[in-house]
Amino acid sequence: GAGVSQSPSNKVTEKGKDVELRCDPISGHTALYWYRQSLGQGLEFLIYFQGNSAPDKSGLPSDRFSAERTGGSVSTLTIQRTQQEDSAVYLCASSLVNLASETQYFGPGTRLLVL
Amino acid sequence: DQQVKQNSPSLSVQEGRISILNCDYTNSMFDYFLWYKKYPAEGPTFLISISSIKDKNEDGRFTVFLNKSAKHLSLHIVPSQPGDSAVYFCAASAGGTSYGKLTFGQGTILTVHP
Repeated sequence: GAGVSQSPSNKVTEKGKDVELRCDPISGHTALYWYRQSLGQGLEFLIYFQGNSAPDKSGLPSDRFSAERTGGSVSTLTIQRTQQEDSAVYLCASSLVNLASETQYFGPGTRLLVL
Repeated sequence: DQQVKQNSPSLSVQEGRISILNCDYTNSMFDYFLWYKKYPAEGPTFLISISSIKDKNEDGRFTVFLNKSAKHLSLHIVPSQPGDSAVYFCAASAGGTSYGKLTFGQGTILTVHP
């Protein structure tokens, strides 16, 4: 079946612009996660959604970052007024439910470059 | 504050030999540990995991060992194959209300030479 898809695969933007990154999780997966990987770093947790529960936003680095998940499926990560330090690979993952023992399936990521 | 650390940025081994990748953690609340493998331009894929109630978990050529007292885990790959060449991330979860919120290490680049 189809895996997690993300779009765009690459995004180049100018400092100060807003960007939207999209994630389509695996159908039927109730949990959805966003991570980012900066150059030379590990994956950094940003936010997760579990069903209709309030999302865990504890990893969002600033109030310029926000995310929503519409209809329990597609998610959009928005970065407002982008800064050069926002340049990273943004990865989305989904799992059946929000349990560590449930495998998280990752998309290929969106490579964001802020000039 | 890096709660999960992989101190070796890279590892090079010969095909057929053992690969040992190491990971240390500082948060004593972590109770579930995972290894992910990542090829270039792809997302990470799950490899193997271990719960804190165990000290070893085996799956084919892959074995994960957990030493809770030392807050250390390792991944053994035997025998190593060229197709195993990838970046390996260890990750940990603290359970509770954040089961799936994974904390990752920086990754180790494994190169297996034919």
